[in-house]
Amino acid sequence: AQTVTQSQPEMSVQEAETVTLSCTYDTSESDYYLFWYKQPPSRQMILVIRQEAYKQQNATENRFSVNFQKAAKSFSLKISDSQLGDAAMYFCAYRSNFGNEKLTFGTGTRLTIIP
Amino acid sequence: DAEITQSPRHKITETGRQVTLACHQTWNHNNMFWYRQDLGHGLRLIHYSYGVHDTNKGEVSDGYSVSRSNTEDLPLTLESAASSQTSVYFCASRRGLGTDTQYFGPGTRLTVL
Repeated sequence: AQTVTQSQPEMSVQEAETVTLSCTYDTSESDYYLFWYKQPPSRQMILVIRQEAYKQQNATENRFSVNFQKAAKSFSLKISDSQLGDAAMYFCAYRSNFGNEKLTFGTGTRLTIIP
Repeated sequence: DAEITQSPRHKITETGRQVTLACHQTWNHNNMFWYRQDLGHGLRLIHYSYGVHDTNKGEVSDGYSVSRSNTEDLPLTLESAASSQTSVYFCASRRGLGTDTQYFGPGTRLTVL
């Protein structure tokens, strides 16, 4: 079974600085997808960024980028120029590409932005 | 704009009562999912559906049921609510196969007293 581990329950960063959230996962599969979701106080789960395992190039979405290390099974999220609106819980998630729709989530990292 | 909605947003019920949480999406997505979110566990899959009349059990399906009579709706029913089912429930949908992403509803906070 796949597992996703987020070892940082809480992180904080000064506004305008850069922060990196860690995620590791365990799988025996070679074809899968990885996601970062943001959950602000409103509780809505918002997709931040997505990475296909077969793509070597790291995904980027504006100020958000990932460092995907397939061999190490690591998928970290880097937030550049942190803004107050980035404060939220961030969840890393895994999905197999072999007909299984299940999203496996990590336990989350609470990110605080310090003005 | 297409969206996914959940109702009610908050619900308080008593142990043993039947409760139904509604989920409605207007994207015409084939795949729909129900998750529960508890501290220390992240989100865990309860049930999911690939289309009309299709339902499948997730990792924490005991005490829950779903039915899919149309594309837009996947109601989640707690047959006999238990205090252990106090949680925040999220519905999600996805168009189909490939790289499509699951999009989540706003969540329902359920308290079972």
